[in-house]
Amino acid sequence: AQKVTQAQTEISVVEKEDVTLDCVYETRDTTYYLFWYKQPPSGELVFLIRRNSFDEQNEISGRYSWNFQKSTSSFNFTITASQVVDSAVYFCALSEAPTSGTYKYIFGTGTRLKVLA
Amino acid sequence: DGGITQSPKYLFRKEGQNVTLSCEQNLNHDAMYWYRQDPGQGLRLIYYSQIVNDFQKGDIAEGYSVSREKKESFPLTVTSAQKNPTAFYLCASTVGRGTDTQYFGPGTRLTVL
Repeated sequence: AQKVTQAQTEISVVEKEDVTLDCVYETRDTTYYLFWYKQPPSGELVFLIRRNSFDEQNEISGRYSWNFQKSTSSFNFTITASQVVDSAVYFCALSEAPTSGTYKYIFGTGTRLKVLA
Repeated sequence: DGGITQSPKYLFRKEGQNVTLSCEQNLNHDAMYWYRQDPGQGLRLIYYSQIVNDFQKGDIAEGYSVSREKKESFPLTVTSAQKNPTAFYLCASTVGRGTDTQYFGPGTRLTVL
C-alpha cells in the first residue's frame, strides 16, 4: 500500500540551528515521485522539490537540502541555519506513476516547524 | 502572473445550506484537484479532474460535488449532506498526470455556524 509517514509532529529550534525533517514512504512501484511542500501560516502550500525514484542524488538549494535514500525509503529534508521565516508546516508527498489513469498522490500528516528568535 | 485563485478566502455557512467554493487557474493545466485539510492533519483528496467534462471521486467525496465545464475552472459545492464541513479547502492543479508537481491556490476556510 502507498503510505507517507512524517513521525515528527512538531519541532522547535532556535534560530541558526540546523534541523532535519524526516519522511519515510512505502510503495510497491519502482517508478514514483517524492515531493516536499511548505505551508506557511497563510495556508497556501508552496512547492519545494520533486524527485523521481531513479535519481538518488542529494539536492541542495541554498539553505535547503534533501537526502533521498531508497535503501531506507526515506526522503529527508534539512534546513541549515534556520530562520524565523522557516516556521511553517512541511509536508512530504508521494505519487506513483498511474496505471489505467488511476490517480495516486498521498501526503504525509506534516511536521510543524517552529523557529524561535 | 500565472497561478491559482480561490474565492472567497473565508466563508461562513448555516447548517443545511449548500455553498460553492471557486477555483480558477490560468496555468493552462489539464488536471485540477480539491483537498480538505483539518487542523493538525494532512490533506485528503475530495475530487479530481484530469480533463474537461470528466472528474473522479477521491477518498472523501461524500457530501461534495464538482463540475469541470471549462479547463480553467473547477468549482466545489459543499452540500448539506456533508456532516462536518468546517475545514480548510485547497485547490491544486498539474500540467497533466498525477505524478506532476501540484501547484496550490491560497485556500478557502469554511466555517459552519
